[in-house]
Amino acid sequence: DVKVTQSSRYLVKRTGEKVFLECVQDMDHENMFWYRQDPGLGLRLIYFSYDVKMKEKGDIPEGYSVSREKKERFSLILESASTNQTSMYLCASSYAGHRGNTIYFGEGSWLTVV
Amino acid sequence: KNQVEQSPQSLIILEGKNCTLQCNYTVSPFSNLRWYKQDTGRGPVSLTIMTFSENTKSNGRYTATLDADTKQSSLHITASQLSDSASYICVVSAQGNNRLAFGKGNQVVVIP
Repeated sequence: DVKVTQSSRYLVKRTGEKVFLECVQDMDHENMFWYRQDPGLGLRLIYFSYDVKMKEKGDIPEGYSVSREKKERFSLILESASTNQTSMYLCASSYAGHRGNTIYFGEGSWLTVV
Repeated sequence: KNQVEQSPQSLIILEGKNCTLQCNYTVSPFSNLRWYKQDTGRGPVSLTIMTFSENTKSNGRYTATLDADTKQSSLHITASQLSDSASYICVVSAQGNNRLAFGKGNQVVVIP
């Protein structure tokens, strides 16, 4: 079974803290994604990566950065957490091209910024 | 304007009954359409994926249909079970584009 593992399910951080959300996939997927999901807004793309050390901004990249040093690992970084970044964060991965390929999601990381 | 619209936003159905969820999209040029099930507090799990040439696909009690001409899809749940209570998300991708367009989901609650 494909597995996308997000290291932290629940985090509580203080405003201004640096936050790391880690994601690892075990299927040798080229593509990896970070989304946030908020009630009434659905999933919104923050960043995605189609190869090691490659990244592209999604629809809401402000306040976030990412790192992909190894193919299996994609990290989301909040340089200085703010309360409006309280959300559920979902990591996903897929083979290259998207066409006909299933996107696999992790279980999500619930981040609360106080 | 969202490129993927789902209706109804939420519905309550009795256990054992059928229901149909709708997804209308404007994504173009169309590549494929996926339906995902998301249990509360969990990540989405794929139910079906359909390309342009496919107009129906089943996964157990879930049957998805696609009309690429009218840009509509539906997800039919047969003989609903309590475990079907979840959000069902329609996701559409365009050709030559890594971006996905997400609907906001249909929230289904199955009651005994």
